[in-house]
Amino acid sequence: EVELVDSGGDLVQPGESLRLSCEASGFNFKTYAMNWVRQAPGKGLEWVAGVGGGGGNTYYADSVKGRFVISRDNSKNTLYLQMNSLRAEDTAVYYCAKARGGPGGRDYMDVWGKGTTVTVSS
Amino acid sequence: EIVLTQSPATLSLSPGERATLSCRASRSVSSYLAWYQQKPGQAPRLLIYDASNRVTDTPARFSGSGSGTDFTLTISSLEPEDFAVYYCQQRSDWPPLTFGGGTKVEIK
Repeated sequence: EVELVDSGGDLVQPGESLRLSCEASGFNFKTYAMNWVRQAPGKGLEWVAGVGGGGGNTYYADSVKGRFVISRDNSKNTLYLQMNSLRAEDTAVYYCAKARGGPGGRDYMDVWGKGTTVTVSS
Repeated sequence: EIVLTQSPATLSLSPGERATLSCRASRSVSSYLAWYQQKPGQAPRLLIYDASNRVTDTPARFSGSGSGTDFTLTISSLEPEDFAVYYCQQRSDWPPLTFGGGTKVEIK
């Protein structure tokens, strides 16, 4: 069964850092791009970052560029999101999501984790 | 950045009725548009990709149409499990991948 298990969400103060993880199973992880998508309380979906299958190509939303870093360890079938300089507006449920078509990032997302909650508040 | 505008924000219908949801792009996305369903407390689920192609386990009552800037998701006869929020997403131009603001289909 294809599955993504995301974790690492927590309550942190503004300016602090946090790393999210997403463990993948049931598919050839290295052959698919991966993404992080977030959803603020009561709001819609916002794409945050994406990474190609090989890990060399990364892409970010303007709202997180320079603060967040997406990476992957294909030997561990794990996706990461390092979040630095967190702000109140980063409060959201963060989902990892698998690209549908392959290693390139410009894609739809056909498998999602259950989400992990990040709360940024003093 | 391509902006996707969904309408209406809320659709109040009864089971068995037909639902028609709209997604309009700020510029052409060709056919590179998907639809997702999200139920409360759950992750989104991909229903349709490339405007009109159903994902394997998407019921046949869901259909997508459109190209360019105007797209429609139709649910031919609403089942109780179809009451949810629906999002469109484009992959024509990135970064960023963008989503519409969502349409909530609620029970009348």
